[in-house]
Parts: sequence; C-alpha cells; structure tokens
Amino acid sequence: EAGVAQSPRYKIIEKRQSVAFWCNPISGHATLYWYQQILGQGPKLLIQFQNNGVVDDSQLPKDRFSAERLKGVDSTLKIQPAKLEDSAVYLCASSLVPAGASTDTQYFGPGTRLTVL
Amino acid sequence: AQKVTQAQTEISVVEKEDVTLDCVYETRDTTYYLFWYKQPPSGELVFLIRRNSFDEQNEISGRYSWNFQKSTSSFNFTITASQVVDSAVYFCALSEAQRGSYIPTFGRGTSLIVHP
Repeated sequence: EAGVAQSPRYKIIEKRQSVAFWCNPISGHATLYWYQQILGQGPKLLIQFQNNGVVDDSQLPKDRFSAERLKGVDSTLKIQPAKLEDSAVYLCASSLVPAGASTDTQYFGPGTRLTVL
Repeated sequence: AQKVTQAQTEISVVEKEDVTLDCVYETRDTTYYLFWYKQPPSGELVFLIRRNSFDEQNEISGRYSWNFQKSTSSFNFTITASQVVDSAVYFCALSEAQRGSYIPTFGRGTSLIVHP
C-alpha cells in the first residue's frame, strides 16, 4: 500500500514570496491533516479536513496560510507571503476513519522542509 | 501549560542497554487517546502505538513495551536491548475531543542516540 506522498521535499524561498505544498493521502483515507514542525519541536496541527470539508483550522494563520482539498483527495497548503518564522517542516498525514471517530491513527508523509531567507 | 510533557530532551545509550522514554500528559477528558511516534532522520513520523484511556493494560511488541498509568498521567515507552537503528526522535501525543473532532497534541520529543 502506497504511503502519504508529499512534494516538494525541500523548498528555499525569500521572505514575502509565495509557496505551495502538495499532499496525496493514502487511498481511501477520509481525513487529511497538515502540520507544521519547527526545528526541535513536535508537530503542530494547522488544519484538518474530512473529505473536502474543513473540520478544524483554529491554528492556521489565516492571514497568510490557506489550504484546500477540493475533490476530497489531494490537498495543497499555501503560504503567501512567507515570513522567516515559517521556516519549518510541513507534514501531511491521513487517517482512514472520519474525524471524530474513536480510532484516529494518522499516517504521515515525509514532509516538505521549507527554508525562508 | 503543556498538555504533553517529554522532560527528556536527549538520551544517549550504548547498544544493548534498556532505555525508558517518559511521557506525562494533562487532560480533563475521560475519553482520550495516547500515541507514540518515531521520527528517524528521514523525517517521516512512524506510528508505534495507540492506547485509549479505558485500556490501562501494558503492551509489549518485540523489544518495545509501554506502561500506561492513569494515576500518574504517564505513558512511558521502554526499548529493551536497544540497537543503533532505534536512534531517532520519539514523540508522545495526546488526542482529545475538541470542537467535535479528536485534535492531537504532540510533545516536544525525546532524541534517542544509541551508540554501537
């Protein structure tokens, strides 16, 4: 079974530029998550989708971050404009069961390492 | 206040030693889930275990074992006879029901270095 795919793996941009990350979850997984992992810290949830609807985006900095999952499969996360403090690894995860179900094991992709100069 | 505390930032052991990674959590919910993930240098988090709040049985999987104690709000992870391949950052996470969904909160991680 293929895992969660993410691209690109690495991205270097200058501050105030825009960047987009792509995620393809495990086939059949209803729930998709985007996390931000700053160096030396644990992942922090940014947004959670169930199919193509947003379940939780309370920790997404909406003035500069946006995410979509239009067809309920792939998802893109965009930052516009980027700031220095956005340098981090952006992880995508998916889980089989709908958000809110009792079993909620997440499977993670390899991440995109973003460096903002 | 941190919901998940992993007080050990880094642990260094020699191969074949046993090592325990501590995790202390904080929640007011009666229903919650605890997880351990491994993050090797490649960066991808690998799921190790999920435990719900109603199941305090300890679990053993090969060289890995987990000790869940609600009385002390701890979910500790022990690796027996550690190997170099166990070198990674290990994260403990707590999933609580919030706003109609289970929202996970991760600890800051413990970096385990196993020397040959």
